[in-house]
Amino acid sequence: GAVVSQHPSRVICKSGTSVKIECRSLDFQATTMFWYRQFPKQSLMLMATSNEGSKATYEQGVEKDKFLINHASLTLSTLTVTSAHPEDSSFYICSASRRQLNTEAFFGQGTRLTVV
Amino acid sequence: AQSVTQPDIHITVSEGASLELRCNYSYGATPYLFWYVQSPGQGLQLLLKYFSGDTLVQGIKGFEAEFKRSQSSFNLRKPSVHWSDAAEYFCAVGEEAGGGNKLTFGTGTQLKVEL
Repeated sequence: GAVVSQHPSRVICKSGTSVKIECRSLDFQATTMFWYRQFPKQSLMLMATSNEGSKATYEQGVEKDKFLINHASLTLSTLTVTSAHPEDSSFYICSASRRQLNTEAFFGQGTRLTVV
Repeated sequence: AQSVTQPDIHITVSEGASLELRCNYSYGATPYLFWYVQSPGQGLQLLLKYFSGDTLVQGIKGFEAEFKRSQSSFNLRKPSVHWSDAAEYFCAVGEEAGGGNKLTFGTGTQLKVEL
């Protein structure tokens, strides 16, 4: 099956610094990647849709200048949390899809971000 | 816009008992439906999916789900629960977005299994 690797799995950073999270599709080309955020004991909320070579599409209420998304190749998308604050502490998960609509979304293992 | 409702936040069952997790969706077209399982601090694992065809779908780990259009439901079932099934379960509806599959998740059901 398709494998999506997300790195790092855990990160602790100081308030005011930036953190980059990588999402890689290891054995397929991901034309589209999605970034989700999950608060403790809550569901996953879509943050943005990332397409290779174009600007990401952000969901309503998500600050695009704070959550920078880059999809430089068909196998890599990055999410950078800029000037992180404690309220940005969360579980971030990416997913990747192949081109066809009726294929599942393959999820990374998630990144636990803690801002202190 | 599509939405997914999982009415049960927590469910506790005894090991060996049957299980049904409820999921209702709201979507204007034919839905693409999924069930995922998440262990603590982990990513999501796909249990099963429905795109079209047979409304009863089989998944991994002995799970199955039935799509009922008239009830807008996609309930997950398992005849006999194992202690290792304790986890969080998410129902999701998918839609095409930018060439990929964008998911809207329900709020999840936490399953506890009593030995």
